[in-house]
Amino acid sequence: ETGVTQSPTHLIKTRGQQVTLRCSSQSGHNTVSWYQQALGQGPQFIFQYYREEENGRGNFPPRFSGLQFPNYSSELNVNALELDDSALYLCASSWTGAPNYGYTFGSGTRLTVV
Amino acid sequence: TQLLEQSPQFLSIQEGENLTVYCNSSSVFSSLQWYRQEPGEGPVLLVTVVTGGEVKKLKRLTFQFGDARKDSSLHITAAQPGDTGLYLCAGALSSSNTGKLIFGQGTTLQVKP
Repeated sequence: ETGVTQSPTHLIKTRGQQVTLRCSSQSGHNTVSWYQQALGQGPQFIFQYYREEENGRGNFPPRFSGLQFPNYSSELNVNALELDDSALYLCASSWTGAPNYGYTFGSGTRLTVV
Repeated sequence: TQLLEQSPQFLSIQEGENLTVYCNSSSVFSSLQWYRQEPGEGPVLLVTVVTGGEVKKLKRLTFQFGDARKDSSLHITAAQPGDTGLYLCAGALSSSNTGKLIFGQGTTLQVKP
């Protein structure tokens, strides 16, 4: 079975630009969650998508948005990039949104905003 | 304010030593997970504990969930250089289908040969 794949692996953007990050969930998983991990910190929950709808959101502004597609893959979009958005963005999939079952994480997209 | 406090934040030990990492909170969690993360990679799930007082063993790693489900510990026996990495605890406040995990800030472990 394939794991969670994220693209691109690295990205450099200028402040004010927009970015789209992509995630393919593990085979058999229907739920995708996105996390932001700043350097030296634990991941912070952005939001989760289940059956193509947002199913829970963390403390992130509306310029962070997402989509889930019928094949359960997902996108994270960030508008009006700020320097503080520089971080590792992690996608995690599971076969149900219930956290007790644990998540499979991708290797992440390293975003640098200059 | 960090909802989940991990300690210590950094640990550098010699091969063969034992160690314990703690994860504490004032909140009650429906479950708690431990992950290990290596540089340039995503976190990899080690274990999920659900029941207060639960103890799980994974080879040389022992995980315990506190009776009140507010804290957890990870104990490694006879650490090896391959155990080097960032250890993260993550708690779920609800067992419902919302998916939010609250992560601690992590413990960076370095095991020297």
